[in-house]
Amino acid sequence: GQQLNQSPQSMFIQEGEDVSMNCTSSSIFNTWLWYKQDPGEGPVLLIALYKAGELTSNGRLTAQFGITRKDSFLNISASIPSDVGIYFCAVPTGANNLFFGTGTRLTVIP
Amino acid sequence: KAGVTQTPRYLIKTRGQQVTLSCSPISGHRSVSWYQQTPGQGLQFLFEYFSETQRNKGNFPGRFSGRQFSNSRSEMNVSTLELGDSALYLCASSLVVDTGELFFGEGSRLTVL
Repeated sequence: GQQLNQSPQSMFIQEGEDVSMNCTSSSIFNTWLWYKQDPGEGPVLLIALYKAGELTSNGRLTAQFGITRKDSFLNISASIPSDVGIYFCAVPTGANNLFFGTGTRLTVIP
Repeated sequence: KAGVTQTPRYLIKTRGQQVTLSCSPISGHRSVSWYQQTPGQGLQFLFEYFSETQRNKGNFPGRFSGRQFSNSRSEMNVSTLELGDSALYLCASSLVVDTGELFFGEGSRLTVL
């Protein structure tokens, strides 16, 4: 079946450190999305990628759409405590039908 | 601009009962989709509505149903509740269809005893 594997599953980092996470699939997708979910909240869209090889930034966040269209990467620079949460990659598979990855849980130690 | 509003936020039901969850999308958004989130299965798509029509349905049993009203508000219903239905149910709305750019509500947390 379809899978989006996110790595790592969890991360514990010191405040100020940079963070890298990725999402891989055995299938090709034309859109990759990154969402963040804070505790007790719904996911919030961080970055949307629509072109293979595309590199897009949103503040301290930078995401890349892999050239093979089977993966995507998210980097967070100079982490701060409010970066804590679960980061999901997602791909559209139909009418606003998103298939979500397994998530990367980020903990930032002050 | 008000966000996506879901009610109730928390509810407890017993096996065999049925439940109805409500979602008010962001004003002007005509697409509403529903997701189930559990620790074991993660975030899974339930169904999506646009202009009162269900356009897409996930792989869930017929006990899960939904509808959308003319004002774009949506409800989902789960009948004959099972323990495994305990989850966070998230509603999302979208202005631009089929881009994957969704705005989620805070969810309705259902506990089935």
